[in-house]
Amino acid sequence: QVHLEQSGAEVKKAGASVKVSCKTSGGMFRRHPIHWVRQAPGQGLEWIGAIIPVSDTADYAQRFQGRVTITADASTSTSFMEVTRLMSEDTALYYCAESDPHLGNAFEIWGQGTLVLVSS
Amino acid sequence: QSVLTQPPSASGTPGQGVTISCSGSSSNLGTNFVFWYQQLPGAAPKLLLYKNDQRPSGVPGRFSGSKSGAAASLAISGLRSEDEADYYCAAWDDRRSAWVFGGGTRLTVL
Repeated sequence: QVHLEQSGAEVKKAGASVKVSCKTSGGMFRRHPIHWVRQAPGQGLEWIGAIIPVSDTADYAQRFQGRVTITADASTSTSFMEVTRLMSEDTALYYCAESDPHLGNAFEIWGQGTLVLVSS
Repeated sequence: QSVLTQPPSASGTPGQGVTISCSGSSSNLGTNFVFWYQQLPGAAPKLLLYKNDQRPSGVPGRFSGSKSGAAASLAISGLRSEDEADYYCAAWDDRRSAWVFGGGTRLTVL
């Protein structure tokens, strides 16, 4: 049974950076893409980007390119998402999710979410 | 403004059926699969349907999906109180090279 465990809530000042982790257990960490999705308070879901750990290649939604970096550490089965130059609009719940190519890359397993609160 | 368009709300009484629509364009729903996610209050999203109409194990047969052209729909029959949640459609967008979501539909079971 695959499980994604995310790091705890973060409170940051505007202009700072934050790094959120997502540890995979019980699954195919190296082969299945890990995605990052965020949800602002009372809002919908927004895809940030994804990484395929086995190839260590990451792709990003255009609006996050240059400000977000997604990495993976195969030795600990952990993915990281770093957001720099934080703004108040980045206040959101950040989720990691593992997609399964056999399911058309559906986001099959989700982490519990990490709240990032940015104060101005 | 979300790339995929969903009605913000839907409602029904227990036992009734309800349908939630999701419309997109040729670069997303028109050429790629639609996926549906259910988000219960205070919880992470959960995969409800994949590849237009496929149910993961554990999802009741009351949930069904369809897609025609650049429009998709999620149908829920025999509504139950525990179906009260936010529902999101999603698809890969070839033009944006990104996953895109609908704005979500809040389902209320009256």
